[in-house]
Amino acid sequence: RKEVEQDPGPFNVPEGATVAFNCTYSNSASQSFFWYRQDCRKEPKLLMSVYSSGNEDGRFTAQLNRASQYISLLIRDSKLSDSATYLCVVNMAGGSTLGRLYFGRGTQLTVWP
Amino acid sequence: NAGVTQTPKFQVLKTGQSMTLQCAQDMNHEYMSWYRQDPGMGLRLIHYSVGAGITDQGEVPNGYNVSRSTTEDFPLRLLSAAPSQTSVYFCASSPQGRVEKLFFGSGTQLSVL
Repeated sequence: RKEVEQDPGPFNVPEGATVAFNCTYSNSASQSFFWYRQDCRKEPKLLMSVYSSGNEDGRFTAQLNRASQYISLLIRDSKLSDSATYLCVVNMAGGSTLGRLYFGRGTQLTVWP
Repeated sequence: NAGVTQTPKFQVLKTGQSMTLQCAQDMNHEYMSWYRQDPGMGLRLIHYSVGAGITDQGEVPNGYNVSRSTTEDFPLRLLSAAPSQTSVYFCASSPQGRVEKLFFGSGTQLSVL
């Protein structure tokens, strides 16, 4: 079983739509959680961290449910520029241990005009 | 500020050949790491380093060597290339204490025939 599971999609939505991605993780001791964005044939870039209380960054909302070991990313008012692959990332160690940073396979989003 | 620089961008090898993928960062980051990205697999950690002179294995270290003689450079060596090492390779760095804030290089597309 993979440490981090994501629905690969693809999700195809019109501009202005709201779309949500989910991610589950296997290790209940996981410490911190993040969403990365990766454009086609480009390197991944940090989109946002996910905090226990939930957090927003403009049109993006991230939520964490530790009991269900579940992370979500909600994108409101989708833009064409949101088309990308969204990677769920879980840090399974406390502190700053690179060796326990696990990436999901990514969820592909296409926003059409 | 160049960030993380990876070379080469593309490489074709024959089975059994060796080569070194270069990675350099100019942000004075303590942490550096190498990932490979395969279709349907997500990013997987090969090796990482928490500082000059210190390296450790990630999820998929077999067939690869690393060294970290300076803070800036973190080369990845393929000792005897195999077709299973055909992949996109990303080097990344992150500041101390912010392991999740990875800055990725632009990637190397490697094909082993």
